Amino acid sequence: AQSVTQPDIHITVSEGASLELRCNYSYGATPYLFWYVQSPGQGLQLLLKYFSGDTLVQGIKGFEAEFKRSQSSFNLRKPSVHWSDAAEYFCAVGGGGGADGLTFGKGTHLIIQP
Amino acid sequence: DAGVIQSPRHEVTEMGQEVTLRCKPISGHNSLFWYRQTMMRGLELLIYFNNNVPIDDSGMPEDRFSAKMPNASFSTLKIQPSEPRDSAVYFCASTKTGAPRRDGYTFGSGTRLTVV
Repeated sequence: AQSVTQPDIHITVSEGASLELRCNYSYGATPYLFWYVQSPGQGLQLLLKYFSGDTLVQGIKGFEAEFKRSQSSFNLRKPSVHWSDAAEYFCAVGGGGGADGLTFGKGTHLIIQP
Repeated sequence: DAGVIQSPRHEVTEMGQEVTLRCKPISGHNSLFWYRQTMMRGLELLIYFNNNVPIDDSGMPEDRFSAKMPNASFSTLKIQPSEPRDSAVYFCASTKTGAPRRDGYTFGSGTRLTVV
């Protein structure tokens, strides 16, 4: 069965500092990996996705993620965070070309300190 | 593109009442998913459809939950009778089979259900 682990429930970062959110997955085949962001009371917005090819993928809002097959990881990074980045971040894994659903991690709550 | 549209945004109902949540996927998307989000369990996949056909409903918690997709532009999730433990945010998402590489999965804004 597929699964996603986000080991950090909460992370606090100072505005302007760099950010890395961890994600580890378990999947029996080549995974499709996603990062979503959720602001309070809102739906989930896609930040970026990985299917194949270049293991470093660029997303919206200045985010990037690196796929490391040997570590079963897909960590999200941003070189300099802004107060507006405060939100809940979810890593997800899926497959089947969209014919089946995504399995989500429990999320990481990002707090930005002024 | 109006995105995935869910209604209502908020629903408060009394225990034992029937609740119907609605979803309109993005035009052209042929896969539709229903998720439930709670603090304790996070985001759980309840059921999904491909070309209006239910494929996997193993995530539906009980027989009180049912979902339909009568056509490509509309789906419902029904809870009958509702219980306080059903209180959660319910999300609908859609994608085009074979196209998540390009489009990802698009989520609606959710329905916040409170059963009192």
